[in-house]
Amino acid sequence: DIQMTQSPASLSASLEEIVTITCQASQDIGNWLAWYQQKPGKSPQLLIYGATSLADGVPSRFSGSRSGTQYSLKISRLQVEDPGIYYCLQGYSAPWTFGGGTKLELK
Amino acid sequence: QVKLLQSGAALVKPGASVKMSCKASGYTFTDYWVSWVKQSHGKSLEWIGEIYPNSGATNFNEKFKGKATLTVDKSTSTAYMELSRLTSEDSAIYYCTRAGDSGFDYWGQGVMVTVSS
Repeated sequence: DIQMTQSPASLSASLEEIVTITCQASQDIGNWLAWYQQKPGKSPQLLIYGATSLADGVPSRFSGSRSGTQYSLKISRLQVEDPGIYYCLQGYSAPWTFGGGTKLELK
Repeated sequence: QVKLLQSGAALVKPGASVKMSCKASGYTFTDYWVSWVKQSHGKSLEWIGEIYPNSGATNFNEKFKGKATLTVDKSTSTAYMELSRLTSEDSAIYYCTRAGDSGFDYWGQGVMVTVSS
């Protein structure tokens, strides 16, 4: 199975700050990487797919990038509605596997 | 608009089975795989398996083979997952999700399953 190692596990940031979350894949997965945001009591919501493509309706302050087998989600200016848990998901090879999650809080 | 409406929470006894539903609307049900995902309390997400409604073809995470059974009713655009021989380890929230062109693009609201005597 492909392992997705996500970091950090938690992070606290201030409004308007730049936030970066990373996922390291255990092998090449190409651009088959998605990012999700989950708020308490809610289901995950798609933010980024294909490693870099913004999902419909997602604010442009969210962006995704790739460097080899490392993938990053960047929030350019943290807003009050952005805290939650963020997950990466590899869609290259079944079983599809998620990262362990990053809990993002407002400082 | 695409919606996935899941059945309500379930409280079941150890050793029993539970069957949950996921009713799709707003798109052609038979054109997209439906996956099921487990989220244990305070933990990450685990992919259980997937079903292609058009043919009934399934794929499973090895970890859930023998535990989960996936079926569909094309006439009602509903996907089902049955979990058998339940233990406390099966207490979790279970989501259905559509596998669109951009990955898991739409999710149900989740079903909380509690296994307790």
